[in-house]
Amino acid sequence: AQSVTQPDIHITVSEGASLELRCNYSYGATPYLFWYVQSPGQGLQLLLKYFSGDTLVQGIKGFEAEFKRSQSSFNLRKPSVHWSDAAEYFCAVATLNQGGKLIFGQGTELSVKP
Amino acid sequence: KAGVTQTPRYLIKTRGQQVTLSCSPISGHRSVSWYQQTPGQGLQFLFEYFSETQRNKGNFPGRFSGRQFSNSRSEMNVSTLELGDSALYLCASTPDPGTYEQYFGPGTRLTVT
Repeated sequence: AQSVTQPDIHITVSEGASLELRCNYSYGATPYLFWYVQSPGQGLQLLLKYFSGDTLVQGIKGFEAEFKRSQSSFNLRKPSVHWSDAAEYFCAVATLNQGGKLIFGQGTELSVKP
Repeated sequence: KAGVTQTPRYLIKTRGQQVTLSCSPISGHRSVSWYQQTPGQGLQFLFEYFSETQRNKGNFPGRFSGRQFSNSRSEMNVSTLELGDSALYLCASTPDPGTYEQYFGPGTRLTVT
């Protein structure tokens, strides 16, 4: 069965430090992968997506993610974190044989220290 | 272009009642999906509608239902509410089912007492 694992429930980084959020997926075919961010009391905002092609994808707000098929991973990175990046981050895979419904990881909550 | 809108944003209901939530997709988007978000279960898919037809359904009891109108607006209904139905209900839209990136609304926070 398809699944997404985000191993880190909570991460704290200092403002200005680099960030990497981990995501591993289990999917039989070529995955369509996404990262979403959710601020408290808000919906999900799409940060970036990977469908095919270049394995390093750029997103909004200075985020990027790298798809590594050999490791079944799609980690999210940012070179310098801002206080406003504090939020919950979700990795998701689209299940193409089920109408494209999204399967989400459990999320990683990011705290930013001043 | 306006985003996905959901009404109401907050709702308090009593166990046993029923509730209807509404979602208006981004203009031009014809596919609407619903998700339930709870602290314990995370984000779980409820159902997807396209052209007024349910194309896909998640693993939820029959108390959860939905529909889509000809203008692509969607509603979901939960009957005989249980305490465990307290959650953030998120609606997402895509231009059509072949476009897999989904754009989410702000959600409706349902509290069942």
